[in-house]
Amino acid sequence: QVQLQQWGAGLLKPSETLSLTCAVSGGSFSVYSWSWIRQPPGKGLEWIGEILHSGGTNYNPSLKSRLTISIDTSKNQISLKLTSVTAADTAVYYCARKQLLVRPVFHYYYYMDVWGRGTTVTVSS
Amino acid sequence: DIQMTQSPSSLSASVRDRVTITCRASQDITNYLNWYQQKPGKAPKLLIYAASSLQSGVPSRFSGSGSGTDFTLTITSLQPEDFATYYCQQSHSTPDTFGQGTKLEIK
Repeated sequence: QVQLQQWGAGLLKPSETLSLTCAVSGGSFSVYSWSWIRQPPGKGLEWIGEILHSGGTNYNPSLKSRLTISIDTSKNQISLKLTSVTAADTAVYYCARKQLLVRPVFHYYYYMDVWGRGTTVTVSS
Repeated sequence: DIQMTQSPSSLSASVRDRVTITCRASQDITNYLNWYQQKPGKAPKLLIYAASSLQSGVPSRFSGSGSGTDFTLTITSLQPEDFATYYCQQSHSTPDTFGQGTKLEIK
């Protein structure tokens, strides 16, 4: 059974860089795309970005200038780096596997079917 | 970005009730629509993908329907474990976007 284990610094000061890692175990890695999603305290879900099985990336435009998502296929890990954090970046951060379903004709359905447990990140001076 | 709007934002219901949650997209997303359930302190769980396909292991009392801009999640015969927050999410175009959530509470 696929499991996603996340880790990273939980307390940051404004202007620091948020770094999180998500390790995948128990299943295939390189055939999937992988997403990051965050949830501020008491609020809804926000899609941060993704790294595709091809190695390409898609980022939320609201975060693009500060965001890097990368992959280490030798370790089955995905990483997220967000620079110049502020209190607005305080959230629970999730990694998730993005499953692809192909139906005729040329319908590509993506959905996040396996999630990590989340990492709480607090930005405070 | 495609805006996703859920209604209602909160809902009170009783065990064995039937409930319907609505999700509206700001533009046509065909059926590129997923539903998730989230319980406090837990990661979201996929319920429905491609608007109406039930994820493996999800009880059949959950169902999804709709296409274009209007979608519904229906739960027949609510069970105690169904009280949670539900989110829709579009995967038609990047960035993926979520609805604001519908909190389902026990009456």
